Amino acid sequence: AQSVTQLDSHVSVSEGTPVLLRCNYSSSYSPSLFWYVQHPNKGLQLLLKYTSAATLVKGINGFEAEFKKSETSFHLTKPSAHMSDAAEYFCVVSFRKVTFGTGTKLQVIP
Amino acid sequence: GAVVSQHPSRVICKSGTSVKIECRSLDFQATTMFWYRQFPKQSLMLMATSNEGSKATYEQGVEKDKFLINHASLTLSTLTVTSAHPEDSSFYICSARDSETILPGETQYFGPGTRLLVL
Repeated sequence: AQSVTQLDSHVSVSEGTPVLLRCNYSSSYSPSLFWYVQHPNKGLQLLLKYTSAATLVKGINGFEAEFKKSETSFHLTKPSAHMSDAAEYFCVVSFRKVTFGTGTKLQVIP
Repeated sequence: GAVVSQHPSRVICKSGTSVKIECRSLDFQATTMFWYRQFPKQSLMLMATSNEGSKATYEQGVEKDKFLINHASLTLSTLTVTSAHPEDSSFYICSARDSETILPGETQYFGPGTRLLVL
């Protein structure tokens, strides 16, 4: 069995400040982990993925995430938020089957 | 990267009619495609797994006779919502997995989604 928990349903940051979106997972195996972004009325875009290589994963648009097995976490970060980052972000765990987190809505305040 | 398309992007229909949504992998072959449903302000819920040349596997609680899935080729899967009712109004998203990738945690590539509104 596997599950994923996004600890914050809504995060609000000021433009230019760091972003932290939290994700914890549980899995009986060694899963792959993903972060996807969804802009309003749009499909999902892959930001980054972890597949048992380097624990610090760099993605598109300046985002990165660190896989911490001891903490079963895969938090998403960005040093400086941009207005265009405002969207819904989903953490996903995958081992034979894909499980989505409930999503975190990121608001960027100008 | 791999591209998945969906058609139509938006559809409005009358209650009782059937609606077909197409999902295509444009630059890769996909033996497996997935159909998700997303209600407003909620996460994606897997409806079914579509397997090329065989019957789809439906998640618990999803009516297979209402949501007909056909995966006739390695690049096309269709979802037909039969006798649609207002409660079927939702955002339907498909994804595809590259057939050449066999690892359990391989990436899924998502389509842009289809917004269905049943009046």
